[in-house]
Amino acid sequence: GAVVSQHPSWVICKSGTSVKIECRSLDFQATTMFWYRQFPKQSLMLMATSNEGSKATYEQGVEKDKFLINHASLTLSTLTVTSAHPEDSSFYICSAFGREETQYFGPGTRLLVL
Amino acid sequence: QKEVEQDPGPLSVPEGAIVSLNCTYSNSAFQYFMWYRQYSRKGPELLMYTYSSGNKEDGRFTAQVDKSSKYISLFIRDSQPSDSATYLCAMSESNSGYALNFGKGTSLLVTP
Repeated sequence: GAVVSQHPSWVICKSGTSVKIECRSLDFQATTMFWYRQFPKQSLMLMATSNEGSKATYEQGVEKDKFLINHASLTLSTLTVTSAHPEDSSFYICSAFGREETQYFGPGTRLLVL
Repeated sequence: QKEVEQDPGPLSVPEGAIVSLNCTYSNSAFQYFMWYRQYSRKGPELLMYTYSSGNKEDGRFTAQVDKSSKYISLFIRDSQPSDSATYLCAMSESNSGYALNFGKGTSLLVTP
């Protein structure tokens, strides 16, 4: 199957700092990528849809100025958590559509904001 | 009402048992159905992908979709301790460009 990578796999930061998470499709081009957030023992919640070359579409309740998404190329989307706070601590997962026309997920990035 | 309902479990079975995992949904427009397996602190891994109603088998795994009842199932035969994980059902109206609607996930523990 298709391979999606994320970097970093985990990050610890101080409250008020910004954190950038990268999502890459390694062996295919992805015009659309998705960013999800998962809290402990909860399901994945869609945050935003990232489209190459255009603005991201955010789900209701997700602050676009806090979670900046840039889909600069067909293989890379980035999520920047600006001025992170402890309540932003979560597991962030990206996904992209592969050749089999289904979504493949990255391994996730665990963010801990102190 | 959430669009996708899934019993979170946990479900504990002995090794070798047949496991049945299920989801119900309310949106009749869903046509694409998936099962993902997620190990602790890892991203979801695609297990099965089916379109519309019917059965699909892959090794020890069988996925069933009953669109008339809005009910999907995943069966695991000869379950192994390595099958212990959280299983997420997901579905979508389209196979391209659409985000997935996930169930909460069922936590499965297969004991030796």
